[in-house]
Amino acid sequence: DQQVKQNSPSLSVQEGRISILNCDYTNSMFDYFLWYKKYPAEGPTFLISISSIKDKNEDGRFTVFLNKSAKHLSLHIVPSQPGDSAVYFCAASAQGTSYGKLTFGQGTILTVHP
Amino acid sequence: GAGVSQSPSNKVTEKGKDVELRCDPISGHTALYWYRQSLGQGLEFLIYFQGNSAPDKSGLPSDRFSAERTGGSVSTLTIQRTQQEDSAVYLCASSLRSQINQPQHFGDGTRLSIL
Repeated sequence: DQQVKQNSPSLSVQEGRISILNCDYTNSMFDYFLWYKKYPAEGPTFLISISSIKDKNEDGRFTVFLNKSAKHLSLHIVPSQPGDSAVYFCAASAQGTSYGKLTFGQGTILTVHP
Repeated sequence: GAGVSQSPSNKVTEKGKDVELRCDPISGHTALYWYRQSLGQGLEFLIYFQGNSAPDKSGLPSDRFSAERTGGSVSTLTIQRTQQEDSAVYLCASSLRSQINQPQHFGDGTRLSIL
């Protein structure tokens, strides 16, 4: 079963506007969440994370929001830049696995148009 | 370089052959992880090592897959009697420790193609 889901395979936005990427999870044991960005032929690059004791974490243009009751998180990128075009993966982990096992969503392809 | 290094970057082999994939983690990182990404899919956890503790092998898909980590540093993922469904990008990651707020840093992967 898919415990972490990214229901939008792709997203297209104009440069300077906001990009919102969404992620849903089903396992209530997950308590640490991460977003990764991936360019073709490269490994994923860590962007930002949030633990379940928070509902928001911000780092520059990137903000992650967590809604535990809805088991939903989102990544906001403001303002979006063409260099942000990549595949974005959300991932989740749990204390029960010592945070060693990340469960990934299937990814969302973000395209930012100049 | 200071990042996670994987070799080879590409591997093409015939069905039934054994393959070995290598991972050099970031220096000082005690935790090491293996994932794979099949075409059009997200990353799938395979195994992780944390220091001298027994590895978590819960993601290995069959007994044809094994991994070891020698001296707490370099790791090798071995796939015996490869099948076409083993074709994927195999990614290695490392972190300072396996704990919250220690994000995993990934290498660029080995693209494995089974003919």
